[in-house]
Amino acid sequence: SQTIHQWPATLVQPVGSPLSLECTVEGTSNPNLYWYRQAAGRGLQLLFYSVGIGQISSEVPQNLSASRPQDRQFILSSKKLLLSDSGFYLCAWSLTGTTEAFFGQGTRLTVV
Amino acid sequence: DQQVKQNSPSLSVQEGRISILNCDYTNSMFDYFLWYKKYPAEGPTFLISISSIKDKNEDGRFTVFLNKSAKHLSLHIVPSQPGDSAVYFCAAPDTGNQFYFGTGTSLTVIP
Repeated sequence: SQTIHQWPATLVQPVGSPLSLECTVEGTSNPNLYWYRQAAGRGLQLLFYSVGIGQISSEVPQNLSASRPQDRQFILSSKKLLLSDSGFYLCAWSLTGTTEAFFGQGTRLTVV
Repeated sequence: DQQVKQNSPSLSVQEGRISILNCDYTNSMFDYFLWYKKYPAEGPTFLISISSIKDKNEDGRFTVFLNKSAKHLSLHIVPSQPGDSAVYFCAAPDTGNQFYFGTGTSLTVIP
């Protein structure tokens, strides 16, 4: 069966520090991968999605970047965190031709 | 541009009553819709879906209705239970595998 792992679950980082959130999917090949942020009043906001290794589409210009170094690994990064980067980040995956996305447990990021 | 909209940020319902959560969409190309349920500090989990070839899909206490002409769908929970208290997201995937989510409705079921 397919599983998705996202870590860490919670993270407190100072302003200006770097960020790396990792997401891996097991039990499937060539998944579409997504990073979402749950923001108050905006629901689940799509940040990045990837349909293959090295292919990243950015939906919202901001202080974040994403990379997909391996087929089932998706990384969300920042070189210098801002206070406004605080939020709940979710990784998700889907398969082309299917109609459901599966989510990780999420990471609560607090920038102080 | 919000292609999937949930205009009610919150809803409170008495236990045992019906909860109705609404969702509107603007993209007439959407042909599949999903509802996700999310508890605090957890990822959303799939609840129920509906294809555009249907106008109703039922799964236990949960029923989703689709009105294509109005570009509107709704989730009915009958009877509502305290454990149903969560945030509910309406979602639709486009042909490019991008998922569009509504802003969520926070349901509180009062015992």
